[in-house]
Parts: sequence; C-alpha cells; structure tokens
Amino acid sequence: DIQMTQSPSSLSASVGDRVTITCRASQSIMNYVNWYQQIPGKAPNLLIYSASKLQSGVPSRFSGSGSGTDFTLTINSLRPEDFATYFCQQSHSTPYTFGQGTKLAIK
Amino acid sequence: QVQLVQSGAEVKRPGASVRVSCQTSGYTFTGYSMHWVRQAPGQGLEWMGSIIPNNGATTYAQKFEGRVTMTRDKSIITFYLELNNLRSDDTAMYYCARCDLYSGYGDFDFWGQGTEITVSS
Repeated sequence: DIQMTQSPSSLSASVGDRVTITCRASQSIMNYVNWYQQIPGKAPNLLIYSASKLQSGVPSRFSGSGSGTDFTLTINSLRPEDFATYFCQQSHSTPYTFGQGTKLAIK
Repeated sequence: QVQLVQSGAEVKRPGASVRVSCQTSGYTFTGYSMHWVRQAPGQGLEWMGSIIPNNGATTYAQKFEGRVTMTRDKSIITFYLELNNLRSDDTAMYYCARCDLYSGYGDFDFWGQGTEITVSS
C-alpha cells in the first residue's frame, strides 16, 4: 500500500496568514493527489484534484503543487472559515490512502 | 443538484452485521463509481472499497476482504455497504463518496452526509 505522510499534524495561524501543508508519498504517484477540507461534524470537501487543479467553487486562495512523491497545499490570506482539518489522498492505485490530517487552528 | 443521502445512525452488537444505504440523485448514475470511506472518532479517513454501477464490479481494501460487500440497485439509484462480524473498532462514521469514472483523477467530488455506526455490547 502507498503511505501518505502528511505534515504538520497541527498548525496554528492567524487570519491573513499564508500556510503550507505537505504530503509525501511512499512511492511515486505522479500527480494523483487530491486535497480535502473537513469541518468538524461534516463530510470532507474536495479542494484540489490532480495535485494542482482547483475544484469548481473553491476559492482561489487555495492552491496545490507537486508531483512524484512530494506535494503541497497552500492557503493564502487565511479566512476564519479556513480553520479546519485538511487531508491529502492518493488516487494512483488502490487501496486509496489518506494522509493523517492537519488540523489548522486559530493562533 | 447532486445529492448523496445516507441512511441513519445505527447501534449494533459485536458480531452483528450492518447495512448502510446511499441514495443518489442529480447526476448520471452510471458515470461515477461509488466509494466508501470511514472515519473512527477523532481519527483520519480510511478507504474501504468501491463499486462500479454499470456492472457491479467491486474493489475492496484487503483489510475488509471477507467482511464487506458493496452492492447497488440501479432501479432506485442507491448503493449499499454491508459490513459483517462487527467489532468495537468498526465504530465510525461511514461515508459514501462518488468518483468520476472517466476523468481518471480518482478524486471524490461529492460525499454523503455520513452514517454513524456504533458497535457496543
């Protein structure tokens, strides 16, 4: 199985900050990475697919990059509604696997 | 609009079985595979498997092989997850999530609201 190692596990930031979350795959997965946001008590919500493509309706302050084994999710100009948990997911091969999650909290 | 509506929460005894449904609407049923993902309390996301609605072909995570069955009923555009021989560590929120069969990206663009399954004696 492909392991997705996500870091950091938690992060504190302020409104207006820029934050970066990383995911490292245990083997090359080309650009088969997707990023999700999860608000407590809700289902995950797709933000970025295919490493860098912005899902329809998602604000442009979210962006993704990377290929091979190393990927990043960047959020520019944090807004209050961005404080949530973020997960990466590899869709290169089954079993699809997720990173452990990054909880983004208000500083 | 796309909707995935799941069945309600259930409490089960260890060793029992549970069936969760995911009723779909607002999109072409055969254009998307359906995946099941679970999340134990306070934990991360775990992919369980998927089903292709056209032919019912399934792919299961090895961890669940022998205990899980995913099916669909095309007449009522509904998917089902059945998990047998439940254990306490099966206590989790279970989600259905659709995936475009033809884009090749493997992302889950719409999710059900989740079904809470509690396994307790």
